[in-house]
Amino acid sequence: DAGVIQSPRHEVTEMGQEVTLRCKPISGHDYLFWYRQTMMRGLELLIYFNNNVPIDDSGMPEDRFSAKMPNASFSTLKIQPSEPRDSAVYFCASSLALGLNTEAFFGQGTRLTVV
Amino acid sequence: KQEVTQIPAALSVPEGENLVLNCSFTDSAIYNLQWFRQDPGKGLTSLLLIQSSQREQTSGRLNASLDKSSGRSTLYIAASQPGDSATYLCTSKIIFGSGTRLSIRP
Repeated sequence: DAGVIQSPRHEVTEMGQEVTLRCKPISGHDYLFWYRQTMMRGLELLIYFNNNVPIDDSGMPEDRFSAKMPNASFSTLKIQPSEPRDSAVYFCASSLALGLNTEAFFGQGTRLTVV
Repeated sequence: KQEVTQIPAALSVPEGENLVLNCSFTDSAIYNLQWFRQDPGKGLTSLLLIQSSQREQTSGRLNASLDKSSGRSTLYIAASQPGDSATYLCTSKIIFGSGTRLSIRP
C-alpha cells in the first residue's frame, strides 16, 4: 500500500475562497483522522471517522470547517470561507482500529496558506 | 478529555549522549501510547507503539516505557547521532503532546 495519500501538498488561496483538502486512507483501515498543526497550538485533532461515520467533531474550530467521508477510500476537509488564521499544515491519518495494537499512519500533510 | 504533556520542549545535547524524553497523560484508561518523529516540513513517522498491557518496547537504539498508573511514558535514545535531530511527539487516545524538539550537536 502507498500509505495515506493527501492532496494537494501545498495550497495557497485568497481569503474568502473555498478550500478542499483530500485524503485517501490506507486500504482496510476503519478509522480516519484529520489534524491541524501550527506552531502555536501544535497538533490538534479536528475530527475522526469510523467506518465513514463521523464520531467526534468537537475539534472542528468553526462552522466554516466541514469534513466528509463518502466512502472508505476518500475523505475531504473543506474550509469555506477561508481566513488567514486557517493557515497551517493539515494532516490526515488512518488506523485499523483504536484498540490495543493499532498504529496510526500519517500522510505527508497539506500546507495551507491563506493570504 | 485526554491531555498529553511533553517535557522538555527543546533539548540540545552533544553526539553520543544517551537521553530521555518525557510524556505524561491525564487519562490512564488508554489502549496504547505511540511515539512519532517529525522532521522539519515533513509528516509524522511512527517510532514505537506500546500497548496498554506492556511496560516497554524497543527498536534499535530506541526504548519506550509506559507506566499507566502514573500516566507517564519515556523515550530513551541511546548513543545519540546528529540524524536523530527532529521533533518527537507522543500520543495517547489520539491526542498529541506538543513535542520535544531535539538537536544533536556533532
